Amino acid sequence: KAGVTQTPRYLIKTRGQQVTLSCSPISGHRSVSWYQQTPGQGLQFLFEYFSETQRNKGNFPGRFSGRQFSNSRSEMNVSTLELGDSALYLCASSSSLGGELFFGEGSRLTVL
Amino acid sequence: DQQVKQNSPSLSVQEGRISILNCDYTNSMFDYFLWYKKYPAEGPTFLISISSIKDKNEDGRFTVFLNKSAKHLSLHIVPSQPGDSAVYFCAASASEDDYKLSFGAGTTVTVRA
Repeated sequence: KAGVTQTPRYLIKTRGQQVTLSCSPISGHRSVSWYQQTPGQGLQFLFEYFSETQRNKGNFPGRFSGRQFSNSRSEMNVSTLELGDSALYLCASSSSLGGELFFGEGSRLTVL
Repeated sequence: DQQVKQNSPSLSVQEGRISILNCDYTNSMFDYFLWYKKYPAEGPTFLISISSIKDKNEDGRFTVFLNKSAKHLSLHIVPSQPGDSAVYFCAASASEDDYKLSFGAGTTVTVRA
């Protein structure tokens, strides 16, 4: 069974630009969550989608948004990028039965 | 506001000895706790979990202990192996099917041969 796939793996943007990250969950998983990892901060929850609906949202500004498609694939978008948005963005999927999250390898965003 | 804290950023242990990783939380609504392990350039992988109705859960070399009154949990790895060298994250949620996890900052474990 293929794991969680995130694209792109690495990207460099400049301040003020916007970025879209993509996540394909494990086949059959309907829940997709997004986390931001920065040095010394651990993983910070961004949002969670289930069956195309945002079920939960973390404490991030409105510049951070996401969506989920009917095939459970998800995208997250960050607009008006700031230097502090430089981070590893991790996507995780889970089956509807609850329990553990399965993480992708992440998309490393650098904002210059 | 960090609701889950791992106060030791790093831990070095000799191969074959015990590794003890600690985690404290502040939110009394947390009811389900997990440990994840992360190698460089890989996503975190689930290691072990514990529900608040238990005080101990064991899986092979890994044991998690929960002290609800102290809002403290720990992960014991016995015996430690070189392949255990990784970053370990403690996480907590309000329930087992709540995917909004609060993570600690992580502890980097180095197992010396």
